[in-house]
Amino acid sequence: AQRVTQPEKLLSVFKGAPVELKCNYSYSGSPELFWYVQYSRQRLQLLLRHISRESIKGFTADLNKGETSFHLKKPFAQEEDSAMYYCALQGGSEKLVFGKGTKLTVNP
Amino acid sequence: DADVTQTPRNRITKTGKRIMLECSQTKGHDRMYWYRQDPGLGLRLIYYSFDVKDINKGEISDGYSVSRQAQAKFSLSLESAIPNQTALYFCATSDRHKQPQHFGDGTRLSIL
Repeated sequence: AQRVTQPEKLLSVFKGAPVELKCNYSYSGSPELFWYVQYSRQRLQLLLRHISRESIKGFTADLNKGETSFHLKKPFAQEEDSAMYYCALQGGSEKLVFGKGTKLTVNP
Repeated sequence: DADVTQTPRNRITKTGKRIMLECSQTKGHDRMYWYRQDPGLGLRLIYYSFDVKDINKGEISDGYSVSRQAQAKFSLSLESAIPNQTALYFCATSDRHKQPQHFGDGTRLSIL
């Protein structure tokens, strides 16, 4: 079975502080992992995918197969980073399985 | 990125009514998906389609039906709406397996 767990529903940090949004997954094969972001009242947008190993808007995420994790990190949070963040996994099936999301608030 | 378009953007209706939500795309993608988003539950897959002749149930298909009228169009119907179907509904597309999905702006549906 494919499962994605985002243990924090809410995360609040101050501007300039580091931020880490946790994502753990359950899947026996080689997954494709994504982070999507949803700014207030907007559509979901792809932020990162593990295969590209890019840094987008200062965010990075590393796939750790041993810990089955794909945590999202940014060294210095900005107020405009406030949003809902969803981790998602696609395994052998065509279904993209989402975590329940973490609402990040960056305070001034 | 207005190439996945959902209509209507907002809808308020009454219990028992039939409702259709529409999704069209200009991305040329074969795969289309319908999700619902509820606070604290994330996104859950309702139905997905790989082409006009291929429709598949997702995690929460009960109470919903879909129609893939063309490669570019995928509609979601609630035959007899009930209040617990109040949610934000998203359509998404992708061009092949394990590629990112592209989302529409969503339809906010309220059932009284």
